[in-house]
Amino acid sequence: DARVTQTPRDKVTEMGQEVTMRCQPILGHNTVFWYRQTMMQGLELLAYFRNRAPLDDSGMPKDRFSAEMPDATLATLKIQPSEPRDSAVYFCASGLVDNTEAFFGQGTRLTVV
Amino acid sequence: GENVEQHPSTLSVQEGDSAVIKCTYSDSASNYFPWYKQELGKRPQLIIDIRSNVGEKKDQRIAVTLNKTAKHFSLHITETQPEDSAVYFCAASGQGSSNTGKLIFGQGTTLQVKP
Repeated sequence: DARVTQTPRDKVTEMGQEVTMRCQPILGHNTVFWYRQTMMQGLELLAYFRNRAPLDDSGMPKDRFSAEMPDATLATLKIQPSEPRDSAVYFCASGLVDNTEAFFGQGTRLTVV
Repeated sequence: GENVEQHPSTLSVQEGDSAVIKCTYSDSASNYFPWYKQELGKRPQLIIDIRSNVGEKKDQRIAVTLNKTAKHFSLHITETQPEDSAVYFCAASGQGSSNTGKLIFGQGTTLQVKP
């Protein structure tokens, strides 16, 4: 049963520290999304990749957030420096091609204190 | 870019009644409209989707309708059961210059089915 895998599941960090979240998309999937979920904002798109190329990161605060795909099996989302307002659940999702089902990982629950 | 509005934000129904959730989208180039269900503490999972060449799609107790002219689509759940209680998200993506492949979600609807 192929699944999107995210690590870590939970992360508590102090304000100002660097946070790195990792995602392993389903093998063979060409699209990868990063979403942030808070109670107020629902599922907010942060970044979108196709064939490892970043297509859109307009939803991401550029001064502190960065998203990369070093290879087809790994996507990363970094926050440096982290702030309390970054506390949320971060989901990664992958899809076979554009405009098809996106499969979500379990999410990383980030708490910045 | 694409913007998806979803209503209502909360919905409470009695078991056995029907539930309807509505969404509107802004980009006329959008052509793929999925619906996701998210149970408490879990990941969102696809329950049904529809493409722009179809006006309605049904899968057992759930159905989705699409009106491309008005740019809105709706989720219908009939004979609701307590296990239908969850947060439901609509989404849209397409192949226009502004949103190729981008999956944009509505704000979510919390459905509560009372036994």
